[in-house]
Amino acid sequence: DGGITQSPKYLFRKEGQNVTLSCEQNLNHDAMYWYRQDPGQGLRLIYYSQIVNDFQKGDIAEGYSVSREKKESFPLTVTSAQKNPTAFYLCASSIARGSTEAFFGQGTRLTVV
Amino acid sequence: KQEVTQIPAALSVPEGENLVLNCSFTDSAIYNLQWFRQDPGKGLTSLLLIQSSQREQTSGRLNASLDKSSGRSTLYIAASQPGDSATYLCAVIKKGNYGQNFVFGPGTRLSVLP
Repeated sequence: DGGITQSPKYLFRKEGQNVTLSCEQNLNHDAMYWYRQDPGQGLRLIYYSQIVNDFQKGDIAEGYSVSREKKESFPLTVTSAQKNPTAFYLCASSIARGSTEAFFGQGTRLTVV
Repeated sequence: KQEVTQIPAALSVPEGENLVLNCSFTDSAIYNLQWFRQDPGKGLTSLLLIQSSQREQTSGRLNASLDKSSGRSTLYIAASQPGDSATYLCAVIKKGNYGQNFVFGPGTRLSVLP
């Protein structure tokens, strides 16, 4: 089955810890994105990547880091510098040119304990 | 800066009604527009993608229109069913200096009552 897989589905972080959220796709898409969703708010862009080994900050990149070493993978690290990390995180991918339809994973809910 | 709004924020209708969800955007220089559905605690499911050169797209009971000049898109749902209950989000696809990305509206939460 082609699609985007996010793991884990639920993640708990202690104060001061870094945690990494996984996003893998087998759609052969060049572009991948990370969004954060808070209750009652729209999705906000954290980071995005149009090609392997390259990525750009989105609107709320502070306290987050990413890597894009493989086309299929775009992991997001939530660092201790992110003061309010509790949220629902969504990963997406799309063809970098052309139809641009985006496909999303099922999300990771991160909670600080 | 591109801003996307959706009206209404929430909508409750009896089963069988036809309904319209609205999406407005401030910058008409968009590439495409996409409508999504999100169930509670889940990811987004793509419903319809409208290319900038198109005016509408249809899939089953769903019809989406796009008017770039006025900065509006509507999602029409015919003969609504309880299974349609979800949050509906629109996203405009804009091209920037570094490829393209998606700007989302806050969503419309739809409840279809049996």
